[in-house]
Amino acid sequence: DAKTTQPNSMESNEEEPVHLPCNHSTISGTDYIHWYRQLPSQGPEYVIHGLTSNVNNRMASLAIAEDRKSSTLILHRATLRDAAVYYCILRDGNDYKLSFGAGTTVTVRA
Amino acid sequence: EAGVTQSPTHLIKTRGQQATLRCSPISGHTSVYWYQQALGLGLQFLLWYDEGEERNRGNFPPRFSGRQFPNYSSELNVNALELEDSALYLCASSLRVPGKLFFGSGTQLSVL
Repeated sequence: DAKTTQPNSMESNEEEPVHLPCNHSTISGTDYIHWYRQLPSQGPEYVIHGLTSNVNNRMASLAIAEDRKSSTLILHRATLRDAAVYYCILRDGNDYKLSFGAGTTVTVRA
Repeated sequence: EAGVTQSPTHLIKTRGQQATLRCSPISGHTSVYWYQQALGLGLQFLLWYDEGEERNRGNFPPRFSGRQFPNYSSELNVNALELEDSALYLCASSLRVPGKLFFGSGTQLSVL
């Protein structure tokens, strides 16, 4: 499986943007980039995913490098409810399995 | 619409016993995934079922097994429990096409 590298932790102030980087230098052409987050005492929840183009939804934006070897999840205005572990995951379009790494723990200061 | 439901919420067993964990996927979802999350660690993929068949398996010993029923609900069985099996076991479901996974809140298994 292609692997991802994320920082262990990041801190942000409330209502400021948060940029979460993810490196995936061994990504293959069929790998989708998925982001999930896990709030305390809950199962992970889907945030966003993309293949080549940048993606936006109500939760976040996903910026994908032109060579697809890195991506950035952008939370436009962090709230206290965004404090969670964020996972960047590569998913082969032919394989329905997701492989989670350690993720980035995001702390939001009031 | 009901989300993914898992039961029981908590389960306490002793070494050598067997544990059975249950998962009901979102209505219409045919794929069910099981993950193990030990304390402070990321999620480790256990098993994937689709249309009643095991499609993929993670790097776990054979004492971890499961099945998917005709209504697409699923069971995870762990035999000969060991202390290191203590973890949060998460179930997720999805439609057959690649896309979002929807997770339940998990079963916390404690092996004493």
